[in-house]
Order: sequence, then structure tokens, then C-alpha cells
Amino acid sequence: AQTVTQSQPEMSVQEAETVTLSCTYDTSESDYYLFWYKQPPSRQMILVIRQEAYKQQNATENRFSVNFQKAAKSFSLKISDSQLGDAAMYFCAYRTPGGGADGLTFGKGTHLIIQP
Amino acid sequence: NAGVTQTPKFRVLKTGQSMTLLCAQDMNHEYMYWYRQDPGMGLRLIHYSVGEGTTAKGEVPDGYNVSRLKKQNFLLGLESAAPSQTSVYFCASSRGTTSNQPQHFGDGTRLSIL
Repeated sequence: AQTVTQSQPEMSVQEAETVTLSCTYDTSESDYYLFWYKQPPSRQMILVIRQEAYKQQNATENRFSVNFQKAAKSFSLKISDSQLGDAAMYFCAYRTPGGGADGLTFGKGTHLIIQP
Repeated sequence: NAGVTQTPKFRVLKTGQSMTLLCAQDMNHEYMYWYRQDPGMGLRLIHYSVGEGTTAKGEVPDGYNVSRLKKQNFLLGLESAAPSQTSVYFCASSRGTTSNQPQHFGDGTRLSIL
């Protein structure tokens, strides 16, 4: 079974600074997808960014980018120019493509605090 | 843009009572999922469905049953609620299983079992 580990229960960053959230995963698959979800206090699960394992290029979405290291099974999220609205729980998630429709496997999350 | 709608948003039950959580999606998605989220944990998959009339067990299925009689609806049932089932429940749906077909989540149902 796949596992996803987020080793930072909580991170704090000053507004406008850059922060990196860590995620590692364990799988025997060669093809898979990785995601970062944001969960603000409103409880919504919001997709931030996604990465296909077969793509070497790191995904980028505006201020959000990832550092995907397939050999190391690492998938970190970098948030540049942090804003107060970025404060939330961030979850790393994994899934295998096609075949069975097993859902996402989530890490335990990182609570991101933005200091004004 | 309704997306994924969960009913109810909050509920308090007594141990042993039964109830059904409803998830409805208006995006014509084939795949639907039920997760639970406990404090300090990520979401864990309870059951899922790959299409109308089909269901399958996820990581933590014990104590729950599900049904997908209509494509747009996915029901989660608790036959005899236990305090260990106190949690926030999320429903999600997706068109497929690729990264370009991500899961869309409802806003969650907070369920307390006394």
C-alpha cells in the first residue's frame, strides 16, 4: 500500500516570504499522480497543484511550484510571496492512474501559519 | 455552480442510531468517493464507486455501507453509530482517474456520535 508522509505538522512564515512544505511517499508503482490540496478553516478541499510522475518538469501554478524528485520519492511544495490567504492546512496526496479507481492517499497535513 | 453537495452539514447522533449522508454531484462524473477526516489525520477513503450500481471498499470501510443507485448520488450509511465514527465526512467525485480529472470535494459533514 502506498503511504504519504508530511513530516512538518506546522510551519510559520512571514508574509511575502517563501516557504517550502515537505512530502515524501512510498510506492512500488512507476506511474502515478501527486497533488497538493489546501484546506482553509472553511473546511473546503481546494486543489493547489498536480504532478504526473512521468513528467520531469516540475509543475507551477502562479506562486505555487513543486520540487518533484522521483528517485527520492519526494514532492515538496514551494509557496512564493506568501499571503495571509495562504494560511491553511496543506495536504499532499497520491493516486495511481487508471485501472482501479482507488481514491487519493493523503498525508496527515501541514498547518501553515502566515505571520503579518 | 453546485458541484458536489453534501447533506446535512452537521449532525449529532446517539450511539446506536442510524443515519444516511447524501452526496450529490451535477457534473456527470463517473467516480464518487467517501472519505473521513479525523483530527491530526489526512482524509482516509471509506468507500468508492466507479459508476452507477457499483461500490467498493476503501481503506476504512467497517461500520459503513454505501449505495449508488443513481449516477449523481452516492449515499453513505451508518447502521449503528459508534463514538469512533465521530468525524468530518467528505464526498468527492471525478470524471476519471487521471491527473487531469481531479477529484472535486464537497464541503464536508461534521458528525458527532454521543
